Amino acid sequence: EVQLLESGGGLEQPGGSLRLSCAASGFTFSSYGMTWVRQAPGKGLEWVSTISSTGGGSYYADSVKGRFTISRDNSKNTLYLQMNSLRAGDTAVYYCTKGACSGGHCYPGEFWGQGTLVGVSS
Amino acid sequence: EIVMTQSPATLSVSPGERATLSCRASQSISSNLAWYQQKPGQAPRLLIYGASTRATGIPARFSGSGSGTEFTLTISSLQSEDFAVYYCHQYNNWPRTFGQGTKVEIK
Repeated sequence: EVQLLESGGGLEQPGGSLRLSCAASGFTFSSYGMTWVRQAPGKGLEWVSTISSTGGGSYYADSVKGRFTISRDNSKNTLYLQMNSLRAGDTAVYYCTKGACSGGHCYPGEFWGQGTLVGVSS
Repeated sequence: EIVMTQSPATLSVSPGERATLSCRASQSISSNLAWYQQKPGQAPRLLIYGASTRATGIPARFSGSGSGTEFTLTISSLQSEDFAVYYCHQYNNWPRTFGQGTKVEIK
């Protein structure tokens, strides 16, 4: 059974830093791209960042580029999101999601964790 | 950035009726579109990928269609568990983008 367990959320002051983790199990972690998606309270879904299966490629939303860094440790089956220079607008539930490929077609969001809440406020 | 526009924002439907949700992309995304369902307090769940392929375990009453810029999610006969918010998501271009969501509520 695929499991994605996020941790590391909490309340931080503007300008502070947090590191989110996503522990993966039930699949060959090193074979799949992984993505962070966030959802502000009462709002819709926002794509944040994606990393390739090897970690050699990463992509970011403009809203977090230069402040957030996605990474992965395939030996530990863990995905990370280092969040620096936090702003009030970063307040959201952060979801870790697993991609998949079928018949040569690769797509995101096959499985989702339950999310971890990040609050940014003074 | 590709803008994804969903309509309507809210859809009021009676159980057993058909629901048709629309999603439009600001430029062509081929068939690189997914649909997700989200219920209150839960993580989203993948329903459709590749615009028309049902994800594992998704009932046949959910179907997706379209390509290019116009896409549709159809729920053929709404069940009580289908009342939720639905999001479309393009994964053809970076940055990836989501639609703003369509809430399907009980009429």
